[in-house]
Amino acid sequence: QKEVEQNSGPLSVPEGAIASLNCTYSDRGSQSFFWYRQYSGKSPELIMSIYSNGDKEDGRFTAQLNKASQYVSLLIRDSQPSDSATYLCAVRGAGSYQLTFGKGTKLSVIP
Amino acid sequence: DTGVSQDPRHKITKRGQNVTFRCDPISEHNRLYWYRQTLGQGPEFLTYFQNEAQLEKSRLLSDRFSAERPKGSFSTLEIQRTEQGDSAMYLCASSLAGLGFTDTQYFGPGTRLTVL
Repeated sequence: QKEVEQNSGPLSVPEGAIASLNCTYSDRGSQSFFWYRQYSGKSPELIMSIYSNGDKEDGRFTAQLNKASQYVSLLIRDSQPSDSATYLCAVRGAGSYQLTFGKGTKLSVIP
Repeated sequence: DTGVSQDPRHKITKRGQNVTFRCDPISEHNRLYWYRQTLGQGPEFLTYFQNEAQLEKSRLLSDRFSAERPKGSFSTLEIQRTEQGDSAMYLCASSLAGLGFTDTQYFGPGTRLTVL
């Protein structure tokens, strides 16, 4: 059973701070990793994808991947109240096109 | 709007009735996926099409569920003899086949199903 684990939160950070979201996965052969943001009652919206070990930056967002530790993270710099949402980590396993999602981490940015 | 569209957005039905949902992917995308999401959980994979071929199917997809993508464009998901446990958000996603497994899935707005 392929698993993706996230802390459910809520994670509360003050406006302007860095929010750090973490995710671990069980399938060592996984090749593709994604972070989605989901506002309450809405569908998931892609934030970032990462495929290689290391960091990938896009604006205020940085994704970090460590395949040896089976760990992927998302950093949000200069957090804004509009970043308050549930963040879903999704992993594509070896030889498969489906995504396995974690339960998500609820982020609350306090003004 | 050139994103993934789903219809209807909301469906309320009585237990035992059949329901059908439609998904229109982003126009050039050849891969289409169905997921189901319940409250407090991440989306769970149901099935995957490449063009008109159904290539992956979850064990979650019981015999009451069937999906089609007859011409490789839009897809339908039918649930027969609905049960209260089928109440969930049904999400459709699409992607364009890329190098290896690097294609990215984009989600539609979802269809929220309530079974009374």
